Amino acid sequence: GAGVSQSPRYKVAKRGQDVALRCDPISGHVSLFWYQQALGQGPEFLTYFQNEAQLDKSGLPSDRFFAERPEGSVSTLKIQRTQQEDSAVYLCASSLGLIKNIQYFGAGTRLSVL
Amino acid sequence: ELKVEQNPLFLSMQEGKNYTIYCNYSTTSDRLYWYRQDPGKSLESLFVLLSNGAVKQEGRLMASLDTKARLSTLHITAAVHDLSATYFCAVDIDGEYGNKLVFGAGTILRVKS
Repeated sequence: GAGVSQSPRYKVAKRGQDVALRCDPISGHVSLFWYQQALGQGPEFLTYFQNEAQLDKSGLPSDRFFAERPEGSVSTLKIQRTQQEDSAVYLCASSLGLIKNIQYFGAGTRLSVL
Repeated sequence: ELKVEQNPLFLSMQEGKNYTIYCNYSTTSDRLYWYRQDPGKSLESLFVLLSNGAVKQEGRLMASLDTKARLSTLHITAAVHDLSATYFCAVDIDGEYGNKLVFGAGTILRVKS
């Protein structure tokens, strides 16, 4: 596709429910990033993949958060037993994979946990 | 821990006026990005600054980087309504396994007619 695609755009979950957020990166992009953007804040790094390898997950806030990219293309961010503090916009970005490459962002998934 | 601070966080300005947004960061980096975000939209890359003294210009926006002062600026010349958006600076950090971006909190810009 022309850009990074994320789905769903909006997700409402009841507290305790599991959710899965999908990211389709730009074709050919090796690196994929997930960020969390709270209301009125800048995005904060969650995790990074190079192809299918998750090389950095230092930003994941708890063990309820899990990300995968099994075939080195599409990625899924899963949040188990959602809590109200998980409410945020989750942004996915991809880049060609070389250091100093621009990261291109998707429109994000807005998660609201009630 | 790296901190990236933007100033101001909110800016209301009249059309035709000039203003500067500042981005300070607390660790060594020679790569800094400016992004624009419209409500409900993705972040759009505006500028990539890759070295000390780098200056980039696009239309009414000009960005610069001083790595010694750990400061980047985004200058707006003769603002127009279409520039209303949130602007983020982001510092590129080399991790052991790759790079990641650390963002400022963003500057909400409103240009009034």
